[in-house]
Order: sequence, then C-alpha cells, then structure tokens
Amino acid sequence: GAGVSQSPSNKVTEKGKDVELRCDPISGHTALYWYRQSLGQGLEFLIYFQGNSAPDKSGLPSDRFSAERTGGSVSTLTIQRTQQEDSAVYLCASKGGPYNSPLHFGNGTRLTVT
Amino acid sequence: KQEVTQIPAALSVPEGENLVLNCSFTDSAIYNLQWFRQDPGKGLTSLLLIQSSQREQTSGRLNASLDKSSGRSTLYIAASQPGDSATYLCAVPSQGGSEKLVFGKGTKLTVNP
Repeated sequence: GAGVSQSPSNKVTEKGKDVELRCDPISGHTALYWYRQSLGQGLEFLIYFQGNSAPDKSGLPSDRFSAERTGGSVSTLTIQRTQQEDSAVYLCASKGGPYNSPLHFGNGTRLTVT
Repeated sequence: KQEVTQIPAALSVPEGENLVLNCSFTDSAIYNLQWFRQDPGKGLTSLLLIQSSQREQTSGRLNASLDKSSGRSTLYIAASQPGDSATYLCAVPSQGGSEKLVFGKGTKLTVNP
C-alpha cells in the first residue's frame, strides 16, 4: 500500500554538476507527472508520462532537463549542468484511473544548487 | 492562458470557526477542478475533485463548489480544527481535458487552539 516514493529527499549539489531524481509511482498507475515548486512561483508542470511515452513535455524549462520512464513504472528526472535557479522542490505524482481521477503526490526532492 | 488565483493568501482563525477559501480561474472550459492540501515539507494530498458536470463535492467537514460560468470555486471547511492547519491549493487543467494542471499559489491556513 505504498504511496509515491521519491529519492533522494534532499540533494545539495554544486553548480555545473548533473543530478538525477527518482520517482517510484504507485504500483499499477499508468500516468506519471513531474512538477516543480519554488518560492514565489508556486507549482509548475514539467512533464507528463502515459506508460513510457511523454505526450506532454512542454514544461521542461530548457534542454538541460530531461526525463524518462521505463517499464511503465520508475521515472528519472535528470538536470544537467545545474544552475542556482534550478533550486526547488521537485514533486512527482501518479494517477491510476480514468481522466477524472485524483493525483497522488510524493513528498518531493528538495534540490539546492550552491 | 489559464491562470489560477487564490484569495486570501493567508488566513488565521480560532478553532471551531467555519471558513471559506476562494479559487478563481480564467479559462472556464475545464473538465474538472481539484483541491489539495499541503503540509510543510510534504507533498500534496488530494482532498476533493469536482467534475465539470458537478456543482459540488463533499468529504467529511469539507465541501467544495464549482461555478464554471463565473470561473470560481470555493472550499468550505466546517468546525475548523488545529489539524486543518496547512496550505490549500486548487488546480485546473491548462485547457479543457489537458493532463497539465495549473495551480494557484495557495491559501495558508492556521487554526489556533
């Protein structure tokens, strides 16, 4: 009965380094979402997966950001050459039912770029 | 472009009070609206989802209403408790039935014992 699991919970990295953030959705959930939450900006959509495909990746801020999903389950969000403005909480959510089903969020990964 | 506004940004009430949180959105052609709760350092918990064909949804002490034509939703909390203290966010699809949600910046609620 586990919920959405994200790792690590906190990540501190130096500017210019690459980071990988992981999301384990609820078992059986076919839809997976990444959002970013930063002070003053609220929650911003990054990307949506249906199975292993990403029909909507319109929210990825630059080509330094990429995400993949394998086996219709785990997803990884990768940020290359991190910048200080990338500091935020990265939230993952999944949904298992039809369109009008609620989202289930993980507790997020707090990324700090120094 | 869909925009979501929540008023007030913060609210402090004594325990036991009934209260209303407001959410407005600019594009009324939405399929649903969701209300979430976020506790400090945690993710979001879905509270209520109202489909476009519905006018309200209830869960325990919570009641959410939706008026699509005016682009508004309210979350009513009855007999507030200190455990209700959290940030409440509403979200709607960016357009129609899009999977991309647009969130308001939330109302931070504090219920004082």
